[in-house]
Amino acid sequence: DAGITQSPRHKVTETGTPVTLRCHQTENHRYMYWYRQDPGHGLRLIHYSYGVKDTDKGEVSDGYSVSRSKTEDFLLTLESATSSQTSVYFCASGLAGESGANVLTFGAGSRLTVL
Amino acid sequence: GNSVTQMEGPVTLSEEAFLTINCTYTATGYPSLFWYVQYPGEGLQLLLKATKADDKGSNKGFEATYRKETTSFHLEKGSVQVSDSAVYFCALRYDAGGTSYGKLTFGQGTILTVHP
Repeated sequence: DAGITQSPRHKVTETGTPVTLRCHQTENHRYMYWYRQDPGHGLRLIHYSYGVKDTDKGEVSDGYSVSRSKTEDFLLTLESATSSQTSVYFCASGLAGESGANVLTFGAGSRLTVL
Repeated sequence: GNSVTQMEGPVTLSEEAFLTINCTYTATGYPSLFWYVQYPGEGLQLLLKATKADDKGSNKGFEATYRKETTSFHLEKGSVQVSDSAVYFCALRYDAGGTSYGKLTFGQGTILTVHP
């Protein structure tokens, strides 16, 4: 089984609707992250978590919220989706190291289209 | 703040050609540097890393050397294959005195296409 899975892998929704993306990891990693990938921008950090119920904002957090009630699950919620949130979303996880997580493991991505 | 700049793509090469993808960074202190690769339809995978100046990371024939004096971490491969076609991302992790929480800052990515 893959160490980190994302669901759904593809979603089309309408402007103004709520959307939740799920990330599930079986590696017992302490740190988890949500990134979005857009052409010309690479990957940009939305939110991250450094433990159960411990989360913080990344560089592009407006319009997004996250929750982590269990080590293995990290949810990303768009309360009211907008067309600017059309993107590919990647979840990642990593072990704790002397400077936070070391090498990150990435999921396969969730492609979200907001019409 | 921290930033990573990669050479503009896309890069198109013939099989067995030499590859260089330039990466420069801006950061205070001494970041760790990474190259990740994304094959079509997949997530990112770590290709190689270097955690201090003059370290050379290598994997699958790819190499990159951490050059503090030029703030660079250029990716090279002596002979590319069709199977190397992918998107390559340079990234840094800023290891401050406290924890960075492992957050990575990515460059914009470089698309590599290798033709037979």
